Amino acid sequence: EAQVTQNPRYLITVTGKKLTVTCSQNMNHEYMSWYRQDPGLGLRQIYYSMNVEVTDKGDVPEGYKVSRKEKRNFPLILESPSPNQTSLYFCASKAGSTDTQYFGPGTRLTVL
Amino acid sequence: GESVGLHLPTLSVQEGDNSIINCAYSNSASDYFIWYKQESGKGPQFIIDIRSNMDKRQGQRVTVLLNKTVKHLSLQIAATQPGDSAVYFCAEKEGPGAGNMLTFGGGTRLMVKP
Repeated sequence: EAQVTQNPRYLITVTGKKLTVTCSQNMNHEYMSWYRQDPGLGLRQIYYSMNVEVTDKGDVPEGYKVSRKEKRNFPLILESPSPNQTSLYFCASKAGSTDTQYFGPGTRLTVL
Repeated sequence: GESVGLHLPTLSVQEGDNSIINCAYSNSASDYFIWYKQESGKGPQFIIDIRSNMDKRQGQRVTVLLNKTVKHLSLQIAATQPGDSAVYFCAEKEGPGAGNMLTFGGGTRLMVKP
């Protein structure tokens, strides 16, 4: 089944404790992206990657890092999480030749 | 399930009626538009898309209308069913050369009354 998977689905952590949210897709998509979703603000893009070893900042990259060492994986790294990063995070992917992005199920992160 | 948003505009319709969800966009350079449906606890799910060289596109029970003159996009759902209850987002992408970033609207919650 073609899908985007994220792990973990739920995470509660404390300020300053480094964490990684993984994203994997099995559709051989070139493009992958991370969004956060907050009430009243909709979906905002954090980082995106056009292909392996190519990453770029989105609208709200501060406090986040990403890497794209393999085509299928695009982890989101929070080196020192803060409470304002409490949010619902979505990973998405698409084929390079198309515009339609497919989303993962989401990761609910709470930073205390 | 996950709470998508606490202050979303809400459209309430009777089962079997048609629904129309509206979206205004601001970037006249946008050349691609897409509607997503998000159910509680799930990620956004693609519904239908349209390019700026079209003004109407139909899918199964859904139609997207694009009015570039007033920068307005609408999603019409025919014979709305309880399973259509969700939050609906429109998104736009700026034209060639602007990367692949989608800009999302704030969303509209559709509630279907049985």
